[in-house]
Amino acid sequence: DVKVTQSSRYLVKRTGEKVFLECVQDMDHENMFWYRQDPGLGLRLIYFSYDVKMKEKGDIPEGYSVSREKKERFSLILESASTNQTSMYLCASSIPGSSNEKLFFGSGTQLSVL
Amino acid sequence: SQKIEQNSEALNIQEGKTATLTCNYTNYSPAYLQWYRQDPGRGPVFLLLIRENEKEKRKERLKVTFDTTLKQSLFHITASQPADSATYLCALDSGGGADGLTFGKGTHLIIQP
Repeated sequence: DVKVTQSSRYLVKRTGEKVFLECVQDMDHENMFWYRQDPGLGLRLIYFSYDVKMKEKGDIPEGYSVSREKKERFSLILESASTNQTSMYLCASSIPGSSNEKLFFGSGTQLSVL
Repeated sequence: SQKIEQNSEALNIQEGKTATLTCNYTNYSPAYLQWYRQDPGRGPVFLLLIRENEKEKRKERLKVTFDTTLKQSLFHITASQPADSATYLCALDSGGGADGLTFGKGTHLIIQP
């Protein structure tokens, strides 16, 4: 089975801290994605990457950056965390050659910024 | 602007009945549409994908229809069970490449014993 692993289930950070959310997938997927999920707003795409060292902005990239140094790892970075970035963060990957078909999600990281 | 609408309120269904969830969209011409299941505190799990040239897709007790004229997909769970209780998300691809899916907000389904 495909596994997408997010390093933390819960994180509590303070305003202004630099935060790293890590995601690793074990199936050689080219495409990886970061979403955030908020009550009443659903899932929103932050950034995605379709290859190593490649990145593209999603719908809400402001306040975030990403890093993809290795194919299996996609990191989301909050340069200076703010309270409005409190959310559930979900990483996903998709099968080779199929772009958006059948996303495999991690279990999510619930981030609280105080 | 592009919009996806799912029933925003919880859907309560008696065990054994068929649950039908609706996904409507505007200003899209999706190449395909997907349905995901999400349990509390977990990531979504892929269930079914239906392409624009397909009318219906089945998988065990699940059935999805796709009407590109009405811009609507229906998701059916037959012989529903309490274990089917979850939030169900529909997601669309605009056919433009590897730029991620756009998700609806989901419908919370409750199957009552």
